[in-house]
Amino acid sequence: DTEVTQTPKHLVMGMTNKKSLKCEQHMGHRAMYWYKQKAKKPPELMFVYSYEKLSINESVPSRFSPECPNSSLLNLHLHALQPEDSALYLCASSYQMTGVNTEAFFGQGTRLTVV
Amino acid sequence: GENVEQHPSTLSVQEGDSAVIKCTYSDSASNYFPWYKQELGKGPQLIIDIRSNVGEKKDQRIAVTLNKTAKHFSLHITETQPEDSAVYFCARVERGDMRFGAGTRLTVKP
Repeated sequence: DTEVTQTPKHLVMGMTNKKSLKCEQHMGHRAMYWYKQKAKKPPELMFVYSYEKLSINESVPSRFSPECPNSSLLNLHLHALQPEDSALYLCASSYQMTGVNTEAFFGQGTRLTVV
Repeated sequence: GENVEQHPSTLSVQEGDSAVIKCTYSDSASNYFPWYKQELGKGPQLIIDIRSNVGEKKDQRIAVTLNKTAKHFSLHITETQPEDSAVYFCARVERGDMRFGAGTRLTVKP
């Protein structure tokens, strides 16, 4: 089982709304990632959690707030977003962040539209 | 982290032909190089990967080669089928930081 589940699949939100994206995996992976993908572009790394601790933050604006409540769950809290934040948000996980077992598996993404 | 250069950006082949996509990187610390296939409306799917201590890896119709000295790696798909049509991304990974190439849109014509 290499499944990473993301909810919701689609989300439309206003610029004053607060919403959350959720990601779940049950593969025993200890590293989890958030990526942002604009149309016809590659995924761009936003955050990396390793053993439930934030390890990498790629200078992401504070209107994006990640949270890792336990080793299976990863959330991305959204607040006061801008229309240019509209994109596909991808979650991924791997057994480890570094070392041998670093194969990363992606979820299907949440298509976010900010209006 | 350093980016990855990927070529070509689009590739059209006839069914049954081979397809080759090439990537170059500049960060010598990179030691893991995965390839992903992304179909429309879906997340990237890991199709093959290679580590820096290996020069070539093959899985059925798909193979990846790595030249660490020259800092380039390539994806080879043989006997292409229409269902191989997708966007393919190469990536390099260093300490959890995965950087993708710009992607190659592969079209396999029946």
